[in-house]
Amino acid sequence: KQEVTQIPAALSVPEGENLVLNCSFTDSAIYNLQWFRQDPGKGLTSLLLIQSSQREQTSGRLNASLDKSSGRSTLYIAASQPGDSATYLCAVRPSTAGNKLTFGGGTRVLVKP
Amino acid sequence: DAGVIQSPRHEVTEMGQEVTLRCKPISGHDYLFWYRQTMMRGLELLIYFNNNVPIDDSGMPEDRFSAKMPNASFSTLKIQPSEPRDSAVYFCASGKRGEKLFFGSGTQLSVL
Repeated sequence: KQEVTQIPAALSVPEGENLVLNCSFTDSAIYNLQWFRQDPGKGLTSLLLIQSSQREQTSGRLNASLDKSSGRSTLYIAASQPGDSATYLCAVRPSTAGNKLTFGGGTRVLVKP
Repeated sequence: DAGVIQSPRHEVTEMGQEVTLRCKPISGHDYLFWYRQTMMRGLELLIYFNNNVPIDDSGMPEDRFSAKMPNASFSTLKIQPSEPRDSAVYFCASGKRGEKLFFGSGTQLSVL
């Protein structure tokens, strides 16, 4: 059974510092991995999707890497801003039939001005 | 597109009452998911549909929960009878296979 872990559960950084968020998964047979952002009281917004054949994806200040063999993904957010404060979740989709995502517990980020 | 639309936004009900949550997925998406989120257990997949057909309902807690998708533009999640432990935020999400998943804003359910 796939398990997805995100450590730490919470993180606080001063504005301008780079953020590094970690995601690990136990079964390397994945189809893709997504990073989501969730603001309080809101739904999840997909930030980046990395296919299993890719090593990284970039969008603006966000960069996500994937190391399938070691079961790890990292989300980097450059030059953090207070508006980046949110909970970030990663989710993996198995390479077997089906379209079920397994989510990590999330990392709650606070960027202090 | 307006995104995934869920209603109601908030629902407060008494134990034993029937609760119906509604979802309109994004047009063209052939997968629809129902998730439940609590502080204790995080995000849990309840059930998902492909082309209106339920594919995996192994996450549905018990027989009190049922979900339907009568057509490509509408789905319901019903709880009957509701219990206090069902209190959570229920999310609907839609997508295409292998692509990004889009979530609705959720329904905050409180069962007193």
